[in-house]
Amino acid sequence: RKEVEQDPGPFNVPEGATVAFNCTYSNSASQSFFWYRQDCRKEPKLLMSVYSSGNEDGRFTAQLNRASQYISLLIRDSKLSDSATYLCVVKGIAGYSTLTFGKGTMLLVSP
Amino acid sequence: ETGVTQSPTHLIKTRGQQVTLRCSSQSGHNTVSWYQQALGQGPQFIFQYYREEENGRGNFPPRFSGLQFPNYSSELNVNALELDDSALYLCASSQQGGSTGELFFGEGSRLTVL
Repeated sequence: RKEVEQDPGPFNVPEGATVAFNCTYSNSASQSFFWYRQDCRKEPKLLMSVYSSGNEDGRFTAQLNRASQYISLLIRDSKLSDSATYLCVVKGIAGYSTLTFGKGTMLLVSP
Repeated sequence: ETGVTQSPTHLIKTRGQQVTLRCSSQSGHNTVSWYQQALGQGPQFIFQYYREEENGRGNFPPRFSGLQFPNYSSELNVNALELDDSALYLCASSQQGGSTGELFFGEGSRLTVL
């Protein structure tokens, strides 16, 4: 089993749609969880952290289920500018402070 | 931008050659991590440096080595290049012990091995 697995994608959605990304991780001792965003041919950037109680940042909602080792990201009212690759990231798999990235799920939002 | 700078941005090498990639970390950050990102894949952890010492290593062979300097800048060296080493090499800086877990990435060095 891969350390961090994500939906393969790409996801093609129209503007205004709601889209959900799923991610599972292998190490139950993992400490922290994040979603990063990577635009085409650019570096990854932190989108949001993921907390056990679930958290929201505008149109973005992240959830964590430690028992199922599952993380999700929900994007509501998709914008053209949301088109990017979304990377699920787990801290503490390869070492105390290292981050392990999933393969990423590409989102394409069309007019 | 993040304040993390990498050089060179693009380079082409042939199999068997050696390459050195450089990274200047963001001001105030004492930890540098290096990642390899092949086309269509997520970044893969190579190693991390803190206080000039390697502080964690991913599943990469010894021909991948690095350095961190007193000013926290860093180098990644790859010897005996192979075709599969073609990738985007990302440097990320952070503050050791920082609670957010956020990494600040440079724009990367894109290596092509022919």
